[in-house]
Amino acid sequence: AQSVTQLDSQVPVFEEAPVELRCNYSSSVSVYLFWYVQYPNQGLQLLLKYLSGSTLVKGINGFEAEFNKSQTSFHLRKPSVHISDTAEYFCAVSGRNFNKFYFGSGTKLNVKP
Amino acid sequence: DTEVTQTPKHLVMGMTNKKSLKCEQHMGHRAMYWYKQKAKKPPELMFVYSYEKLSINESVPSRFSPECPNSSLLNLHLHALQPEDSALYLCASSQDAPGTSGNTIYFGEGSWLTVV
Repeated sequence: AQSVTQLDSQVPVFEEAPVELRCNYSSSVSVYLFWYVQYPNQGLQLLLKYLSGSTLVKGINGFEAEFNKSQTSFHLRKPSVHISDTAEYFCAVSGRNFNKFYFGSGTKLNVKP
Repeated sequence: DTEVTQTPKHLVMGMTNKKSLKCEQHMGHRAMYWYKQKAKKPPELMFVYSYEKLSINESVPSRFSPECPNSSLLNLHLHALQPEDSALYLCASSQDAPGTSGNTIYFGEGSWLTVV
């Protein structure tokens, strides 16, 4: 069975500070990895994805993530956050022959002035 | 353009009402999804349509009835709902069926449903 773990349910950070949101997955087969962001009262928006190739993936709004196969991780990073980055962030995993996406429980990023 | 459009944005219905949620995409995607999301939780898959055929039903109660009139449209018919069904209902689409190499899901803004 596949699973996605986001250990941090909430991450408070001050504006302009760097941030890392952690995501670990369990799968015995090759996977595709995704980060989605959900702003208050909105749907989910794709931030970035890893399908293959370079393990460092750049996404929208200055976010990037690094796929680490040996540690089965796909942590999301941003060097300097803005107030507008306050949102819920979901990590998700899929793969060939997966019948659905598996979502983590989400991390609430709270950027303080 | 990765747009999935959902209507209505907000819906309040009584437990004896019949209503529908609608979803539309014009990206040529061949798979469409309904998800349910409760506050502070990840989305939960309800149904998947692939090439206009229902391919996944995640043991959803029959008071929720999906319909895919064509490859661009997806409806969710609601009847005799319970207050605990109040949630954000998200429609999504992807280029191909789940499990296809590199498949990516794109979500709509959601429909907020309140059952009174």
